[in-house]
Amino acid sequence: GAVVSQHPSRVICKSGTSVKIECRSLDFQATTMFWYRQFPKQSLMLMATSNEGSKATYEQGVEKDKFLINHASLTLSTLTVTSAHPEDSSFYICSARDGDSGNTIYFGEGSWLTVV
Amino acid sequence: DAKTTQPPSMDCAEGRAANLPCNHSTISGNEYVYWYRQIHSQGPQYIIHGLKNNETNEMASLIITEDRKSSTLILPHATLRDTAVYYCIVRTLLGGYQKVTFGTGTKLQVIP
Repeated sequence: GAVVSQHPSRVICKSGTSVKIECRSLDFQATTMFWYRQFPKQSLMLMATSNEGSKATYEQGVEKDKFLINHASLTLSTLTVTSAHPEDSSFYICSARDGDSGNTIYFGEGSWLTVV
Repeated sequence: DAKTTQPPSMDCAEGRAANLPCNHSTISGNEYVYWYRQIHSQGPQYIIHGLKNNETNEMASLIITEDRKSSTLILPHATLRDTAVYYCIVRTLLGGYQKVTFGTGTKLQVIP
């Protein structure tokens, strides 16, 4: 199957700072990418949907000014957590839609964010 | 969005077939059923998908009922590495975007 890569896999940052997580589709072009967060023992929660070259669509309750999403190319989307706080500590997962394989959606390995 | 209902947990003996059910009674005609699994602390892994015909690949088989209101994912010979949370998802189209939302899934425990 297609490969989606996230970086970094783990990051620790200080409260009040910003951190960027990258999501890349390695062997296909992804016009649509999705960002999720997951707390321990809970299911994935969709945060936003982004299409290349346009603004992301955020789910209800997700602060767009806090979670900045950029999808500047067909193979790269970034999530920036601004002014991070300990409650933002979570597992962040991206996924990308492969239009050439029946629109199947593939997921990255996830990124663990710890805010101290 | 069509909602899916799955049992919260299941056990399966190693080497036996694991049959994971999913109800999606409000599915519409152009929506596919997708299955993913998530092993602890990893991103979800795509398993299989189908519209109305049964599907099989190297990982699993997907059986969809004729009325498409339910489906079953079959792992023919479960191994310990198949222990994971399995998610049944129905794909939606919303304003040109395709959203993938997750329910709570089924936690499959493969027992030696």
